[in-house]
Formats: sequence, structure tokens, C-alpha cells
Amino acid sequence: NAGVTQTPKFQVLKTGQSMTLQCAQDMNHEYMSWYRQDPGMGLRLIHYSVGAGITDQGEVPNGYNVSRSTTEDFPLRLLSAAPSQTSVYFCASLIFQGGTEAFFGQGTRLTVV
Amino acid sequence: AQTVTQSQPEMSVQEAETVTLSCTYDTSENNYYLFWYKQPPSRQMILVIRQEAYKQQNATENRFSVNFQKAAKSFSLKISDSQLGDTAMYFCAPRGGSQGNLIFGKGTKLSVKP
Repeated sequence: NAGVTQTPKFQVLKTGQSMTLQCAQDMNHEYMSWYRQDPGMGLRLIHYSVGAGITDQGEVPNGYNVSRSTTEDFPLRLLSAAPSQTSVYFCASLIFQGGTEAFFGQGTRLTVV
Repeated sequence: AQTVTQSQPEMSVQEAETVTLSCTYDTSENNYYLFWYKQPPSRQMILVIRQEAYKQQNATENRFSVNFQKAAKSFSLKISDSQLGDTAMYFCAPRGGSQGNLIFGKGTKLSVKP
């Protein structure tokens, strides 16, 4: 049981480049989400999904796109990277109803130069 | 919208002593859950303890316990017999029962000194 698999672990992009952060979970969780972590800011919610075909914006959605075609996968796309998107990104999944905790991927450290 | 306040950006404690990390939150939910997560230098997010808001009894997990004051919307974490491995960032995170979103505080950086 791999849990939440997030790739890559590290990435350097040039301003204006695009990329996709991958996230996959094998726990059949309905709910998946993306957070970014910046120093002194905690984790802030970017986008989330409550099931295949359903996505919604979180606190800081600008500059990011998501889609959820399957229960397992929830990729995060940066269409035109900006230095302000330099951050550590976390994918998380959990059962939608109830009080179980979120399971997190290992995180991606992204640097935009 | 939910807000979470962790008023102690940094704390330090001597090994074997007790430390309490504070957290206050604001929510309009009646049924919700509260979590403390630990993030060591490895960057991994690790669940420390969970509290269900409808339960009056404070949760305990080995050396970790909480003081949950629902009316005051306070959810502090007490670490007893601190160990060097407890050195980490600690995040308080309420979760609304109907939405499922975890909302994080800004974190408290805890250093355990030998």
C-alpha cells in the first residue's frame, strides 16, 4: 500500500515554463487536495476535489489548474511559472466524510528562476 | 471562512521537560475535527493527534495530549517528556465536517535542546 505518491521531489523551472506535478493515491479516497507551503505561512489550500470530475478552488488558486479524471490521480498544472510560485507543494487525500486524517505525499520543492 | 491562529512562531524546551503549543480557531461548523501535524526536517507531514469536537474528553497519544476547549475554540498540544526527535514544525489544523478541507495554522517551530 503506497499511500500518496507525489512526483517529482524537486524541480527547477524557468519563468514562463509549464509543468505538471503528479499525485496518485491507492486508498480509494474521494477527497484530494493540493497545498503550498511557504515560510511563515503554513500550508495554504490551492485546489481540491471531492471526487472524479469535481474540482474547486481553495485559498490561493491563481496560476494553477487541476483536473480529476480518475479517483486515483489529481495532477496540478502550472501553465506559465512565475517566481512567486517558488514553494513546497503537498498533495493530500482523505475520506470525504468523517474525521479521519489526511495522508500527505512527500512534497515537491519547486524553484522558479 | 475558517481561521487558525498559532501565536507562538518558535519555542524551545529542554529534553525531558513539558511544553505546550497553543492554537485557536474560528469555525461556523458544529461538527468538526481537529488535528495536530508534525513536520520534521525531512518535510514529511505526520499526524500527531486527533480530536473530535463532539467528544468532551481530551485526546491522548502516549506523550502527546490536547487541551480542547470548545467554547473558547482553543486546541493546545502538550508534549510531555520531550525528546530530541520532537524537534519539528507543528501545525494545528481544524477540519470542517461537511467540507472536509483541512485549514492549517502558520505553525510553531519547536526545538528540543539536550
